[in-house]
Amino acid sequence: AQSVTQLDSQVPVFEEAPVELRCNYSSSVSVYLFWYVQYPNQGLQLLLKYLSGSTLVKGINGFEAEFNKSQTSFHLRKPSVHISDTAEYFCAVSGVTSGSRLTFGEGTQLTVNP
Amino acid sequence: DTGVSQNPRHKITKRGQNVTFRCDPISEHNRLYWYRQTLGQGPEFLTYFQNEAQLEKSRLLSDRFSAERPKGSFSTLEIQRTEQGDSAMYLCASSQQTGAGDIQYFGAGTRLSVL
Repeated sequence: AQSVTQLDSQVPVFEEAPVELRCNYSSSVSVYLFWYVQYPNQGLQLLLKYLSGSTLVKGINGFEAEFNKSQTSFHLRKPSVHISDTAEYFCAVSGVTSGSRLTFGEGTQLTVNP
Repeated sequence: DTGVSQNPRHKITKRGQNVTFRCDPISEHNRLYWYRQTLGQGPEFLTYFQNEAQLEKSRLLSDRFSAERPKGSFSTLEIQRTEQGDSAMYLCASSQQTGAGDIQYFGAGTRLSVL
């Protein structure tokens, strides 16, 4: 079984500031890692994924994340945020050998202020 | 590719009534998932299908819940004798089996309110 902890439920930042959304996971097996974004009244949209290989992955909208196996973390970063990045962000894992079901964290609400 | 479609978008029902939701996946995707999301929480896995076979069910899926995917295309999720605790957003996702971290594409969800 896997679990995901998103360490911050809310992150307020000013426009053009850098941001980091933190995610830690727990699993007894190797995992795939994902970040999804959810805008109000919309479904979840994939930002980026880590399957294997380079631990730094780049996604859409200028986001990137780094997989750290020793710290079991997968933090999401963006060097300069925009008002339009205001949304709920979810970290998720699936076990490499346990099928495709995703286990999500509780989410981080990113609010970008002018 | 029109994305994953869910209907209805909103459903209000009285406690004890039965409700049914529909999900139309991306046409070439052979896997279909149902998740439930309550306010302030991340989505929780309910069940998934590969083609028409239901391969996994969560313990969250009580006997009042049933899901089908009769021809391996669209899926329905039925909740019988609804309870107030069933109020949530029900999300459907689909993916194409790749053998390594399928990417799941989500619909906009069906928001259920049980009065």
